[in-house]
Amino acid sequence: SQQGEEDPQALSIQEGENATMNCSYKTSINNLQWYRQNSGRGLVHLILIRSNEREKHSGRLRVTLDTSKKSSSLLITASRAADTASYFCASEGSGNTPLVFGKGTRLSVIA
Amino acid sequence: KAGVTQTPRYLIKTRGQQVTLSCSPISGHRSVSWYQQTPGQGLQFLFEYFSETQRNKGNFPGRFSGRQFSNSRSEMNVSTLELGDSALYLCASSIAGTGGETQYFGPGTRLLVL
Repeated sequence: SQQGEEDPQALSIQEGENATMNCSYKTSINNLQWYRQNSGRGLVHLILIRSNEREKHSGRLRVTLDTSKKSSSLLITASRAADTASYFCASEGSGNTPLVFGKGTRLSVIA
Repeated sequence: KAGVTQTPRYLIKTRGQQVTLSCSPISGHRSVSWYQQTPGQGLQFLFEYFSETQRNKGNFPGRFSGRQFSNSRSEMNVSTLELGDSALYLCASSIAGTGGETQYFGPGTRLLVL
């Protein structure tokens, strides 16, 4: 399988805490994207980081990319109950190759 | 702009039947991709269409097929349904499906095969 892996599979934290999710992928990439999915609904794009970038911020989100380790992390700071969702990384190789999604991390933020 | 729409939202079929799912992309988007999501296998890529042509295909049997119309709307068909085809089927659209584009997902069609 070409799928990546997210770690941890599930994460439960208190509101206001930070949440960190990790993703590993298998082949060289052009970019890596993170998506959020609320309870069996469609995915929503959060952030994209290109292979020549090491860190990117968007609001309360911080993404890092380490191409030498084929890994990425997503940090959500000051989490809120509304952040409760599943988070997926998706890697994109060269050319018009499809996104390869990881299996996701289920985040629960308890108010 | 209206988002990606998928119909129907829920579907119950029996083994051996066939099913057709529909996806209307965001206006102006010409690339439509389909994914199957199950608890065991996660999100698996089915195929991608661009300008009525299949551009990429995932590792699924020939029972899974699709097409795209001139208005970019897409359909996928699953023939001879099996229990294991029960899943959430998601479609996503993007402007051209080229590298680095955001994919916009529809709410999905939940298929249950009995």
